[in-house]
Amino acid sequence: DAGVIQSPRHEVTEMGQEVTLRCKPISGHNSLFWYRQTMMRGLELLIYFNNNVPIDDSGMPEDRFSAKMPNASFSTLKIQPSEPRDSAVYFCASSFDWGSTGELFFGEGSRLTVL
Amino acid sequence: RKEVEQDPGPFNVPEGATVAFNCTYSNSASQSFFWYRQDCRKEPKLLMSVYSSGNEDGRFTAQLNRASQYISLLIRDSKLSDSATYLCVVNKDTGRRALTFGSGTRLQVQP
Repeated sequence: DAGVIQSPRHEVTEMGQEVTLRCKPISGHNSLFWYRQTMMRGLELLIYFNNNVPIDDSGMPEDRFSAKMPNASFSTLKIQPSEPRDSAVYFCASSFDWGSTGELFFGEGSRLTVL
Repeated sequence: RKEVEQDPGPFNVPEGATVAFNCTYSNSASQSFFWYRQDCRKEPKLLMSVYSSGNEDGRFTAQLNRASQYISLLIRDSKLSDSATYLCVVNKDTGRRALTFGSGTRLQVQP
C-alpha cells in the first residue's frame, strides 16, 4: 500500500517567492497533520485537519502560511512570501481517528531551502 | 518551558550495551505517551506506546511515571541498527489535540 506521499521532496527558492507543498494522505485516513522540523526547534505542529476540516492552526507561524484540504486525498501548505527562516523539512502525516493508537504515518518530507 | 523535554545527546554506546533515555513533560493532564524513532534524514516512525504499567517490546522497555511526569525508554543489547534519534511524544488528551514531539535524543551505537 502507498504511504503518505509528499511533493516536492526538495525545493530551493529565493526569498519572496511563493512555495506550495503538497500531500496525499493514506487512503482511508481521516486526520492529516503538517509538521515542520528544524535543528533549533525540533518537530513542530503547524496545523491539523480532521475530515478535511482544520481543527487547530495555532501552530501556523504567521499569515504568510496557509493550508488547505479540499478533499480527503489532498492537502497543500503554502508559504507566501517565503523567507530564509522558513527553511526546514516539512512533514505531512496522516492517521485514522488518530487517538486510539497514537500512530501517525509520516511522509518522507519536503526539504525547503529559502535563499 | 517546553512541553516535552529531552536530553539531545548524543549517547555513544558500544554494541551490546544497555542505554536509557528519559523525557519530561510539563502538562499533568497529558494522557497518552509514545516513543518514535527517526533515522537520519528520514521521517519519524512509531516505536512503541507507553502504558501506565510499563511495557516491553523485545529489547525495548518503556516506563511512565505520572507523579514525576517523566517517561523512559530502555534499550538492552544495543545493535548498530539502533542508531537513530528517539523522540518522546505526548498528547494532552485523547480528544482532538495532536501529538507534541520532543526534540529527540540521538543514539550512536558503535562497533
